[in-house]
Amino acid sequence: DTGVSQNPRHKITKRGQNVTFRCDPISEHNRLYWYRQTLGQGPEFLTYFQNEAQLEKSRLLSDRFSAERPKGSFSTLEIQRTEQGDSAMYLCASSPREKVPGELFFGEGSRLTVL
Amino acid sequence: DQQVKQNSPSLSVQEGRISILNCDYTNSMFDYFLWYKKYPAEGPTFLISISSIKDKNEDGRFTVFLNKSAKHLSLHIVPSQPGDSAVYFCAAPGAGANNLFFGTGTRLTVIP
Repeated sequence: DTGVSQNPRHKITKRGQNVTFRCDPISEHNRLYWYRQTLGQGPEFLTYFQNEAQLEKSRLLSDRFSAERPKGSFSTLEIQRTEQGDSAMYLCASSPREKVPGELFFGEGSRLTVL
Repeated sequence: DQQVKQNSPSLSVQEGRISILNCDYTNSMFDYFLWYKKYPAEGPTFLISISSIKDKNEDGRFTVFLNKSAKHLSLHIVPSQPGDSAVYFCAAPGAGANNLFFGTGTRLTVIP
C-alpha cells in the first residue's frame, strides 16, 4: 500500500493526558499537512510542512499542539494536556512537488476521543 | 468565519438521475476550487477541480460549474450510481495554496 498511513487509527484517552499521532506520507511527496475534522464539519487546516520545515500554522494549533517532521519523511502531531474539545478526527495529507493547487492525498485519519 | 459553505447537509437521488451538489463561497480572492469525496472510515479523496478562469470542467460523469459573479459552484453527477453515495466536500485553497478551506459537506445517497 503506497498511500498515506496514519497511526494509531483510534485513540481513547483521559483528559489531561498527552497523545501522539504519526503520519507516513506517500514517499515521493515533499509536502505534508495536518487537518482536524469534528462531527458535522469539514476538515480544518492545522499545519503544513515542506520537507522538514514547518511553513504554516493555523491559529487552531494552540500551544498544546506540536507537530514535527524531523527528516522530511514521517510526521508526528502531539497534543499535550488533552481536553474534551480536542476530540476529533486528525487527518494527515501529502502532495507532490508539482502539485495541482489543493489536490491532497489524505490518510484514513486518527480518531481521538478524550474522556 | 466559514469562507466556503455547503447549505445542504444531505441529498437523496434515484439511481440514474442527476445529482446536483451546491457550494457558495465568500472570499473573492479564491481562484481555484476542488471537490473531494469521502466514504466512511476513509480519508477524503480528490474528485475534480476548476480554475476561476473557467466556468465548467468535466470529467466523465462529473461536471463542476463555476459562477464567479454569484460566488457559487455546483457539482453535477450524471447518471448517479449507488457507489457515488458519500459525503462531498467543496474546498478552496487560501493564499499561498498551502491550506484548504472546506465546506461542511453534503451527504449524497443514491437510491438503487
